[in-house]
Amino acid sequence: NAGVTQTPKFQVLKTGQSMTLQCAQDMNHEYMSWYRQDPGMGLRLIHYSVGAGITDQGEVPNGYNVSRSTTEDFPLRLLSAAPSQTSVYFCASSPPGFLTEAFFGQGTRLTVV
Amino acid sequence: EDQVTQSPEALRLQEGESSSLNCSYTVSGLRGLFWYRQDPGKGPEFLFTLYSAGEEKEKERLKATLTKKESFLHITAPKPEDSATYLCAVQALGGGNKLTFGTGTQLKVEL
Repeated sequence: NAGVTQTPKFQVLKTGQSMTLQCAQDMNHEYMSWYRQDPGMGLRLIHYSVGAGITDQGEVPNGYNVSRSTTEDFPLRLLSAAPSQTSVYFCASSPPGFLTEAFFGQGTRLTVV
Repeated sequence: EDQVTQSPEALRLQEGESSSLNCSYTVSGLRGLFWYRQDPGKGPEFLFTLYSAGEEKEKERLKATLTKKESFLHITAPKPEDSATYLCAVQALGGGNKLTFGTGTQLKVEL
């Protein structure tokens, strides 16, 4: 059982480049989310989705786009990377209902130069 | 705005030396409080969910407790393999499944 899979694990981008961080889960979870983790800041919610075709903004959405065409996949797009987007990105999924545990991927370490 | 504050930022213990980590929170209405463990280079792993003041949950050497303003993660007779960053998060009423995280406590247990 793979759980939540993120690719790539590491990425270096130049300022202004675009890229997509991939996230896939095989647990048939409806709720998926993207967080970024920065030193001293904790995990901050970027975007989330409560099901296929439904997405919404979290705490720090600027500079990021998401879509949810299937239950399994929830990609995060950076349209024009900036140094401020250097961070570790985590994707998570949760079973239906509130107070259910979130399953996190292994993370993508992104550096924008 | 929901806020979660964890203390201390870092903690160094000798093997067998028990201690507690603190998570204080401010939330309009608490649905639940979560504890996660995060190892270096990995994603957070779920430990506990607490729903109401007075509740306690245990797992091996860890025990989590909840009051109306804070939660404690008690570590009894820790071992080096307990070394990790421990994250606290809250889920607010009306906030769906969204979690607000604290910055974590980095625990190191030495022989």
